[in-house]
Amino acid sequence: KAGVTQTPRYLIKTRGQQVTLSCSPISGHRSVSWYQQTPGQGLQFLFEYFSETQRNKGNFPGRFSGRQFSNSRSEMNVSTLELGDSALYLCASSYGQGAGYTFGSGTRLTVV
Amino acid sequence: GDSVTQMEGPVTLSEEAFLTINCTYTATGYPSLFWYVQYPGEGLQLLLKATKADDKGSNKGFEATYRKETTSFHLEKGSVQVSDSAVYFCALNTPDTGGFKTIFGAGTRLFVKA
Repeated sequence: KAGVTQTPRYLIKTRGQQVTLSCSPISGHRSVSWYQQTPGQGLQFLFEYFSETQRNKGNFPGRFSGRQFSNSRSEMNVSTLELGDSALYLCASSYGQGAGYTFGSGTRLTVV
Repeated sequence: GDSVTQMEGPVTLSEEAFLTINCTYTATGYPSLFWYVQYPGEGLQLLLKATKADDKGSNKGFEATYRKETTSFHLEKGSVQVSDSAVYFCALNTPDTGGFKTIFGAGTRLFVKA
């Protein structure tokens, strides 16, 4: 059974650029969540999608956005990148509340 | 608001020592509770879970019991190995407007020495 796949694994971008990260959940999982992980702030919730609808959103600026497709694959986009956006971005899928998440290996974004 | 508090690390143990990582939570309602583990360079992996009071989750020698009266979900292992060195996250999942939310603790780094 394939796990959660995130692409790319590593990215280096310049301040002001925009970036799109991709996540393919486990087959049958309709819920996809995104987290930002940094040494200083730990794991911070970005947003959750379920059946192509954003169900929850964390406290991030509007530069952070996402979407989910009909096959449950999800993308997140960060526009006008700032140095502070450098982080590990983790995608997680789940088939329901109480089931727990399956995480991908993450995308390491470095903004220079 | 809902929150998860874990003991600060790092925790350093010798191989075969007993491990306890404390976790307490604050939540309105009846959350599900989880422990996740993160190895270097990887995403988080679900280690164990408990969905109601007095449930005991267990996996790979790790255990945690959902204690509603003390709002705790402490992680224990009787004999740690070097391969258990990782960061451990306690988390709760609870209903929120429109769906559910998962809140993670800050993580506790464990070092196990041979």
